Amino acid sequence: GEDVEQSLFLSVREGDSSVINCTYTDSSSTYLYWYKQEPGAGLQLLTYIFSNMDMKQDQRLTVLLNKKDKHLSLRIADTQTGDSAIYFCAEIDRGFGNEKLTFGTGTRLTIIP
Amino acid sequence: GAVVSQHPSWVICKSGTSVKIECRSLDFQATTMFWYRQFPKQSLMLMATSNEGSKATYEQGVEKDKFLINHASLTLSTLTVTSAHPEDSSFYICSAEEVAGGNYEQFFGPGTRLTVL
Repeated sequence: GEDVEQSLFLSVREGDSSVINCTYTDSSSTYLYWYKQEPGAGLQLLTYIFSNMDMKQDQRLTVLLNKKDKHLSLRIADTQTGDSAIYFCAEIDRGFGNEKLTFGTGTRLTIIP
Repeated sequence: GAVVSQHPSWVICKSGTSVKIECRSLDFQATTMFWYRQFPKQSLMLMATSNEGSKATYEQGVEKDKFLINHASLTLSTLTVTSAHPEDSSFYICSAEEVAGGNYEQFFGPGTRLTVL
C-alpha cells in the first residue's frame, strides 16, 4: 500500500527557516497536503499542491514537490514560536475515486528562542 | 473555512462501558466523513469511511463490531466504542468532506481524547 515517511523531530531557531521533508511511495498521488497539529487539537490544513506542480508559495510557506524522487518539502520562512506543532504530510490519489488520505508519521517542530 | 465539531472533547470511562463520539459539520453538508485514530507520538490511522445513508467502510484490522459508525444525516456521524478497554484509549479525530465546484476538501474536527480506566 501507500507509504508516507517523515523525520520525527526538527529544531529551529526563532527567525530561521524550517524545512520539513516528506517522501511518499504512491506514484499516482494527485494531491499532497501539509497539515499542522497543535497540542491536543485536530488538524489544520496549511497548504496543498497538485501533483503537476513543482512549487507553491503561500505567504511564509513554500511547498516544493519533486515528483521524480517522490519528495515533498514544506519551508516555513521566519519561523515563530507559534509555529511549534506537529506537521503531517498526506497524500491522496483521487484518480481512482479514493478519498482516503494517507498520512506521514508527523514531524514535531520545536522552536529554539 | 468550513467547521467540524466533535463532542465530547474528552471522555474518561470505565472498562467495559460504551462511549459515543459525535462529529458534526456545522456549515456544510458532508456525504462522506472519516474517522481517524491517533496513538501518542504516532501518525493518524484511518479507521473507517462513513457514508451518509449506507454502511461504513472499515479499514483492514478495524473491528466493525467494536467501533460502530452511524452516519444518519448529512451533518452528523457518530462513532461508538463498544465495551471499551484500556487499549482503546486514544485520540479520535473525525473529518468531513466538503465537495464544492468539483473540489474535494476534508475538514478536521478538534479530536476527542478517550481514556479508558
